[in-house]
Amino acid sequence: EIVLTQSPGTLSLSPGERATLSCRASQSVSSSYLAWYQQKPGQAPRLLIYGASSRTSGIPDRFSGSGSGTDFTLTISRLEPEDFAVYYCQQYGSSPQTFGQGTKLEI
Amino acid sequence: QVQLQESGPGLVKPSQTLSLTCTVSGDSIRSGGYYWSWIRQHPGEGLEWIGYIYYSGGTYYNPSLRSRVTISVDTSKNQFSLKLRSVTAADTAVYYCARVPTGTTFLDYWGQGTLVTVSS
Repeated sequence: EIVLTQSPGTLSLSPGERATLSCRASQSVSSSYLAWYQQKPGQAPRLLIYGASSRTSGIPDRFSGSGSGTDFTLTISRLEPEDFAVYYCQQYGSSPQTFGQGTKLEI
Repeated sequence: QVQLQESGPGLVKPSQTLSLTCTVSGDSIRSGGYYWSWIRQHPGEGLEWIGYIYYSGGTYYNPSLRSRVTISVDTSKNQFSLKLRSVTAADTAVYYCARVPTGTTFLDYWGQGTLVTVSS
């Protein structure tokens, strides 16, 4: 199965700053089938990005995804207070679908 | 607006069967176009895909759990269910149900999750 490694484990930033989160796959993710989710404490994950770079309806444009092959990035251009959460990547190009271990974005 | 809601016992004894149901509102399972999925999250850890089902009954299971898992669907009640047999403490987790657009397997709508603890 494809192992996804997210880095850093924890990212400490301030509102207004730019956040760059990395997701690296152990083998190429076919067709850029890579999604990003945001999870706040006590809540279910929320889909942000699919297909590596397509934003889900209702997601602010400060969130952007990029990458292909084995290296993917989630960028939050200007952090808002509500963006501090845990972010997971997921590959769905190969079975079984797998998730990264998460990056905690903290103030 | 699609909503999913998990229900079932919060405590299961070791070696018994964990049973959960997901009730879908705002969408019809029978309409097709989506798979209906179960995912779990161990306390303080990441996410693990359990499997999914189509309205017709076709299923996919994570190979790591396949021998113990059954997912079923009841289109008349707009529900789908999870059974996990022979549970141990390692199966303690928050269990989520979610919707998956066909042709892909990302999860676009999630339930709020339910904590299931395996303990005697």
